[in-house]
Amino acid sequence: DIQMTQSPSSLSAFVGDRVIITCQASQDITNSLSWYQEKPGKAPKLLIYDSSTLHSGVPSRFSGRGSGTEFTFTISSLQPDDVGTYYCQQYENVPTFGGGTKVQ
Amino acid sequence: QVQLQESGPGVVKPSQTLSLTCTVSGGSINSGYPYWSWIRHRPGEGLEWIGYIYYSGATHYNPTLRGRVLISLDTSKNQFSLNLGSVSAADTAIYYCARSKDALNPTIFDPWGQGTMVSVSS
Repeated sequence: DIQMTQSPSSLSAFVGDRVIITCQASQDITNSLSWYQEKPGKAPKLLIYDSSTLHSGVPSRFSGRGSGTEFTFTISSLQPDDVGTYYCQQYENVPTFGGGTKVQ
Repeated sequence: QVQLQESGPGVVKPSQTLSLTCTVSGGSINSGYPYWSWIRHRPGEGLEWIGYIYYSGATHYNPTLRGRVLISLDTSKNQFSLNLGSVSAADTAIYYCARSKDALNPTIFDPWGQGTMVSVSS
């Protein structure tokens, strides 16, 4: 299995802050990476796929970049509704997820 | 807009079979989005992909669970189901169903159901 190492595991930030999450793959996954937001009791949401493509309807303050083994996810200006846990996921092989980053 | 909803028992006894159903509304399970997955989130762990079923009935499972998993499709009810056998406490989790974002990649997941909690306990 391809292991996905995500950091930090949690962070606290203020409204308007720039938030950056990193994800490292144990082997080259080209750009086969997506990012999801999970909130308790709600359906997880796809935010970004193919490393940097913003999913339809997702606010432009969310962005992603990277290829190979190193990836970053950025919220340019944190909003109250962005509180939740974020996961990276690779789909180059049998899909695996990072451990998650709790944003509060 | 397609919506998915999981249903099933909240508690399953050890060694028994966990059975869940995902009901698809707002679109046909036979549409151009052919891959339907199950994913789980165990307490204190990350998300884990369990497997998917193609609209034709072909399946692909996570090797870590292969042998215990069966995913099936009921197009007449617009549903697909998960059976996980010989469960233990390690199978306690929130179980999500999800559709593939499009026909090109089976494991970019959108949308998801809101999940159902299943506890394995005697």
